[in-house]
Amino acid sequence: GDSVTQMEGPVTLSEEAFLTINCTYTATGYPSLFWYVQYPGEGLQLLLKATKADDKGSNKGFEATYRKETTSFHLEKGSVQVSDSAVYFCALIGRGGSNYKLTFGKGTLLTVNP
Amino acid sequence: DTAVSQTPKYLVTQMGNDKSIKCEQNLGHDTMYWYKQDSKKFLKIMFSYNNKELIINETVPNRFSPKSPDKAHLNLHINSLELGDSAVYFCASSRGGSQETQYFGPGTRLLVL
Repeated sequence: GDSVTQMEGPVTLSEEAFLTINCTYTATGYPSLFWYVQYPGEGLQLLLKATKADDKGSNKGFEATYRKETTSFHLEKGSVQVSDSAVYFCALIGRGGSNYKLTFGKGTLLTVNP
Repeated sequence: DTAVSQTPKYLVTQMGNDKSIKCEQNLGHDTMYWYKQDSKKFLKIMFSYNNKELIINETVPNRFSPKSPDKAHLNLHINSLELGDSAVYFCASSRGGSQETQYFGPGTRLLVL
């Protein structure tokens, strides 16, 4: 079945540091790929997505590129802020059928210190 | 206006009780979902409805029963609550389709004592 493996946290960075959170996936065919963010005590918000190979999703300074050859979708940001502290989830939706469930990675807790 | 809303936000109850969580979306979406987030933050699909029809029913105890009275609502009823049911339950909705974004509600934090 489909699965997502992402970097285990927690990750602690200083403000303005470079962020990378690794994410790889296993799926039949070419899934759609997502990064969701969960701020403390809140629900999940879509951060960015990519639906086909070589697409780059971007939002709020975060980027991730759909790499079919390495089955990866790593999240990057050039300069993190304290307000980026949250849990980040990599996820996919497989293709085919009417089953549109999100399959999530285990989440990575990011803490950014001033 | 809140796109996906859930009530209640917090639910504290005793083992053995029956409880319901309600979800409403005002996005005009056809597909709604329930996800469970455990204490380690792991998220897993429970159910999905499309146009009031059940299309995903993952391995979930029969004590959990979703009900969709119309396209905008998907409720979750839980019978005979157990300690292990303590979790955060998220409702989500989308237009359906593998490329569509799912929009999540704020979550219902259930604690079974």
